[in-house]
Amino acid sequence: AQSVTQPDIHITVSEGASLELRCNYSYGATPYLFWYVQSPGQGLQLLLKYFSGDTLVQGIKGFEAEFKRSQSSFNLRKPSVHWSDAAEYFCAVGARRTGRRALTFGSGTRLQVQP
Amino acid sequence: GAVVSQHPSWVICKSGTSVKIECRSLDFQATTMFWYRQFPKQSLMLMATSNEGSKATYEQGVEKDKFLINHASLTLSTLTVTSAHPEDSSFYICSARESSGRPSYGQYFGPGTRLTVT
Repeated sequence: AQSVTQPDIHITVSEGASLELRCNYSYGATPYLFWYVQSPGQGLQLLLKYFSGDTLVQGIKGFEAEFKRSQSSFNLRKPSVHWSDAAEYFCAVGARRTGRRALTFGSGTRLQVQP
Repeated sequence: GAVVSQHPSWVICKSGTSVKIECRSLDFQATTMFWYRQFPKQSLMLMATSNEGSKATYEQGVEKDKFLINHASLTLSTLTVTSAHPEDSSFYICSARESSGRPSYGQYFGPGTRLTVT
């Protein structure tokens, strides 16, 4: 079964600083990978996704993520964080082979942005 | 882009009553919808997979008689929490997968429904 680990429960960065949120997955083959953002009391917004091809994926709001098969990682990055980026971020994996279309989510990383 | 709505966005009910939550795909057809539950400060946990015209598939540990799912059309799935108790208080989120056959693995999430059982 697939699983996702987000090692950092809580991260605080200063506005304008760079950001990297870590995500490691466990799956027997190349998975589908996603990053979602959730503001308090809100639903999920898709930031970006990786299916195949270029391992560096560009998303909305200036985010990008890089799929590294050798490290089983899909870390999310942003060069300059804005105060509005404060939220909960979830990495998720979907299975290619089994046809199981539900996503498995990591435990989330809460991002706090200092002025 | 594809939009999924949920109704209601929040609901408070008394212990022992039943609550129905609707999930609608507004501009696409979805043969498959998923129901997740999220407790405060925790991640989303899949409860069940809802398939149009057939019985839902429940995850291990989820009581199918308590969480009734009906996927009556290609745009609507409902989750009914029967005989709700305070421990059922949670944030319920649905997602819908396009049935158009596009290879995008598109899965779109609703805004969630916050259920509080008193």
